[in-house]
Amino acid sequence: DIQMTQSPSTLSASVGDRVTITCRASQSVGRWLAWYQQQPGKAPKLLIYKASILESGVPSKFSGGGFGTEFTLTINSLQSDDFATYYCQQYNSYPFTFGQGTRLEIQ
Amino acid sequence: QITLKESGPTLVKPTQSLTLTCTFSGFSLTTNEEGVGWIRQPPGKALEWLALIYGDDDRRFSPSLQSRLTITRDTFNSQVVLTMTSVDPADTATYFCARRRRLRDGSYTPWISWGLGTLVSVSS
Repeated sequence: DIQMTQSPSTLSASVGDRVTITCRASQSVGRWLAWYQQQPGKAPKLLIYKASILESGVPSKFSGGGFGTEFTLTINSLQSDDFATYYCQQYNSYPFTFGQGTRLEIQ
Repeated sequence: QITLKESGPTLVKPTQSLTLTCTFSGFSLTTNEEGVGWIRQPPGKALEWLALIYGDDDRRFSPSLQSRLTITRDTFNSQVVLTMTSVDPADTATYFCARRRRLRDGSYTPWISWGLGTLVSVSS
């Protein structure tokens, strides 16, 4: 199985900040990397797929990058509804695997 | 509009089987253009992919759970059913069903549409 490791596990930030979350794969996944946002008690919501493509309807404040084994999710101008847990997921090969999550909390 | 909704028991006893149903609308699961999968999340923990079925009946499973899982589709009723045998308290989780689809370039999306999830507790 491909292991996905996110850092940091918890990130404290303030409204208006810009933050970056990193996701590393134990072996190359090409560009087959997705990012999800999950609010407490809700289903995950797809933000980015194929490492850098913004899902329809997702604000451009979210951006993704990377290839192979290292990926980033950047969120600009944090607003209150951005404070949530973020997951990366590889879908290059079965079994699809998720990172352990990064909790973005208000500082 | 694409919707998915999970249904099933909220409480299951250890060693019993768990059957969950995903009822979807807005697409049909009749070709390899579409797939429906199951993902679970234990309380306070990360997401874990379990199984996936495509409209051509191709099925994929998490190797760690494959021996305990069955996934089937009912195209007439627009449903996907997941059965998990020999449940254990460690299987306590919110279970989500989700959709992926094939893009024009032939590649597949990740999980683009999700149900709300259903919490299943395993306890005697």
